[in-house]
Amino acid sequence: DIVMTQSPDSLAVSLGERATINCKSSQSVLYTSKNKNYLAWYQQKPGQPPKLLIYWASTRESGVPDRFSGSGSGTDFTLTISSLQAEDVAVYYCQQYYSVPRTFGGGTKVEIK
Amino acid sequence: EVQLLESGGGLVHPGESLRLSCAASGFIFSSYSMTWVRQTPGKGLEWVSSISGSGESTYYADSVQGRFTISRDNSKNTLYLQMNSLRADDTAVYYCAKDGDPPGWDDFWGQGSLVTVSS
Repeated sequence: DIVMTQSPDSLAVSLGERATINCKSSQSVLYTSKNKNYLAWYQQKPGQPPKLLIYWASTRESGVPDRFSGSGSGTDFTLTISSLQAEDVAVYYCQQYYSVPRTFGGGTKVEIK
Repeated sequence: EVQLLESGGGLVHPGESLRLSCAASGFIFSSYSMTWVRQTPGKGLEWVSSISGSGESTYYADSVQGRFTISRDNSKNTLYLQMNSLRADDTAVYYCAKDGDPPGWDDFWGQGSLVTVSS
């Protein structure tokens, strides 16, 4: 199974500042023949189901604010919130869908400093 | 508007069975793979099972292989998860989710159904 490791476990960022979340996979999730990274990011607010933010590592889902961006390739990925808003307080998860079983990172909790 | 509504959760004893249902609307159900994901406070999010749009292909996590069965009725726009031989560590909120295209990520999630396995 591909193990997804997120860091940090939590972070506190001031409103309007940048938040950066890292995700590392135990093996590459880059499908080289298609040049696509099989990596998604989700946001989960308390009492709600996860919400898709990004797929293919950097493609923003329709309706997701452009302050959310994904980057990286192979085994190392980053979710960046360029200017943190109060409504961005949540837990963020990465997930690989390169192989079965699909696996999630342990989550990163983002709070306001 | 895509809607996914889970039902069937509850409290059961170890070794008992339960069937979850997920009623889907707002999209062409038979055109999309569907997935069950569960969440516990201690283990975070865990992929459980997925099924192709036609229902011909199914996939399971090792932790549920042989005990859980995923199925779908495309005439009723409904996804199912039959859970047998339930154990305490199956206790979780179970989410039904619609896969993207191609399958892999999940672009819509239900609100979840709580399954508690306890003696």
